[in-house]
Amino acid sequence: EAQVTQNPRYLITVTGKKLTVTCSQNMNHEYMSWYRQDPGLGLRQIYYSMNVEVTDKGDVPEGYKVSRKEKRNFPLILESPSPNQTSLYFCASSLGTNSPLHFGNGTRLTVT
Amino acid sequence: QQQVKQSPQSLIVQKGGISIINCAYENTAFDYFPWYQQFPGKGPALLIAIRPDVSEKKEGRFTISFNKSAKQFSLHIMDSQPGDSATYFCAARGEKGKLIFGQGTTLQVKP
Repeated sequence: EAQVTQNPRYLITVTGKKLTVTCSQNMNHEYMSWYRQDPGLGLRQIYYSMNVEVTDKGDVPEGYKVSRKEKRNFPLILESPSPNQTSLYFCASSLGTNSPLHFGNGTRLTVT
Repeated sequence: QQQVKQSPQSLIVQKGGISIINCAYENTAFDYFPWYQQFPGKGPALLIAIRPDVSEKKEGRFTISFNKSAKQFSLHIMDSQPGDSATYFCAARGEKGKLIFGQGTTLQVKP
């Protein structure tokens, strides 16, 4: 089944403790992206990647890192999480920038 | 200029009624306008999309109306059903294929 898989689905952590949210797609998509969803703010792009080893900042990149060492994987790294990063995170992928986005089922992160 | 403004934030409609969600944009360089549907616990999924050279697109009970001069577009759900209860996001595609999303509308269809 074609899908974008995120792990974990739920994560509770404390301020400053490094964490990684994994994202993997099995559709051989070149484009991958991370979004955060907050009430009243919609979906905001954190980082995106056009292909392996090519990443760029989105609208809200502060406090986040990404890497794209393999085509299928695009992990999101929070090196020192803070409470304002409490949010619902989505990974998405597409064949290219002009193709529909396929989203994962989300990771709900709480930072205390 | 990169914003997409969506309204209303929430909407309650009776079964069989028409649900209407509106979006407005500023950037005339946007070239593609999709709508995404999101059920609880799931990621958004593409529902229907339109390009700015078309004024209307219909797929089943879902219709996008596009007004290029007013820089507005809307989603109409005809004969709304309880199964349509979800959050809806409009979006617009700009530079480098980047999607700018609206704030989202939570639709509840009452039986």
